[in-house]
Amino acid sequence: RKEVEQDPGPFNVPEGATVAFNCTYSNSASQSFFWYRQDCRKEPKLLMSVYSSGNEDGRFTAQLNRASQYISLLIRDSKLSDSATYLCVVTPYTASKLTFGTGTRLQVTL
Amino acid sequence: DAGITQSPRHKVTETGTPVTLRCHQTENHRYMYWYRQDPGHGLRLIHYSYGVKDTDKGEVSDGYSVSRSKTEDFLLTLESATSSQTSVYFCAISESRENSPLHFGNGTRLTVT
Repeated sequence: RKEVEQDPGPFNVPEGATVAFNCTYSNSASQSFFWYRQDCRKEPKLLMSVYSSGNEDGRFTAQLNRASQYISLLIRDSKLSDSATYLCVVTPYTASKLTFGTGTRLQVTL
Repeated sequence: DAGITQSPRHKVTETGTPVTLRCHQTENHRYMYWYRQDPGHGLRLIHYSYGVKDTDKGEVSDGYSVSRSKTEDFLLTLESATSSQTSVYFCAISESRENSPLHFGNGTRLTVT
């Protein structure tokens, strides 16, 4: 089993839709969690950290479920500009041990 | 955006030649990392540095070496490039080791023919 698993997609959704991605992780010692966004042929950019209590940033909501070992990202009111690949990142305690998922591709259409 | 510059942005080289990629940061962050990204594998850590002259191996370090003689510069060297090292290479920095997100440079696209 991979340490971090994501559905590769693509998720094709119309503008204005709500879409959710899950990311499962295998290391129960994982402590820190992040979502990154990566546009085609660009570098990954931090979208948001994921906190135990869940957190929201505008249209984006991240949640952590430690019991089932997954994190989720919810995007409301999807925009064309949200089209990208979303990477989940998990680390037990140190940034040198970050493990990246292979990403979920989102395509928002008119 | 974090001040991270990678050079060159693109490079084509022949098998067996040495190649050095450079990462330069203006954030004065202690930690610097080199990753490679390949389809189906996600980002994989090659080497990282936790200070000047302090480096350690990542999960895919074979065939690569690094050096950090100054806080702001982290060099990745392929001593003798192979076709399997064709990839996109990203440098990243972080403020601290624990629980800090990484900030990435804009990448170097390397092709080994």
